[in-house]
Amino acid sequence: DTAVSQTPKYLVTQMGNDKSIKCEQNLGHDTMYWYKQDSKKFLKIMFSYNNKELIINETVPNRFSPKSPDKAHLNLHINSLELGDSAVYFCASSQKVGLNKNEQFFGPGTRLTVL
Amino acid sequence: AQTVTQSQPEMSVQEAETVTLSCTYDTSENNYYLFWYKQPPSRQMILVIRQEAYKQQNATENRFSVNFQKAAKSFSLKISDSQLGDTAMYFCAFMANDMRFGAGTRLTVKP
Repeated sequence: DTAVSQTPKYLVTQMGNDKSIKCEQNLGHDTMYWYKQDSKKFLKIMFSYNNKELIINETVPNRFSPKSPDKAHLNLHINSLELGDSAVYFCASSQKVGLNKNEQFFGPGTRLTVL
Repeated sequence: AQTVTQSQPEMSVQEAETVTLSCTYDTSENNYYLFWYKQPPSRQMILVIRQEAYKQQNATENRFSVNFQKAAKSFSLKISDSQLGDTAMYFCAFMANDMRFGAGTRLTVKP
């Protein structure tokens, strides 16, 4: 069973479009995250979210917005896509308590290419 | 602010030999967690090993072990008996309030 899944795995789109990436975790974790990995492999956190709190990295443009329909899902919406948004986006989840607390489980990544 | 530094952008090692990847971090926190993640060409992020800052004993996972020096804020990863499948990017990560990653070290295991 896939612990953290993302769809789609590849996304190619035109500049100016609006797109979404979906993320689901079946681990029962209480916190989910979105990361951006650029072409130089730098990993930067974009958002962390649990049912109570959304923490936004202040460097993230407001064209990016997380949407959580329930505890197991955290989708990423991107408006007015720009060339610089091309990257691999990773979803992750973790829990604050328990044996593996704070260990983040990553999805397979979504490679976004903006043309 | 918490920062994580990996000073070796690239490293290589012969198969079956041992290699050590370095990582230092900066924080004013006393309670935190440290991780090493591996990212092979498949792109998947895989946890290699974790260390709780309050534990003095260095973590080990089979061929992987760490040298955790809390006072020096150092968290190096040692890979023993390197295998071709160890070829990957390795990221050191620090977690207190949120997760911060180093820039990564690209490790190549040569046959």
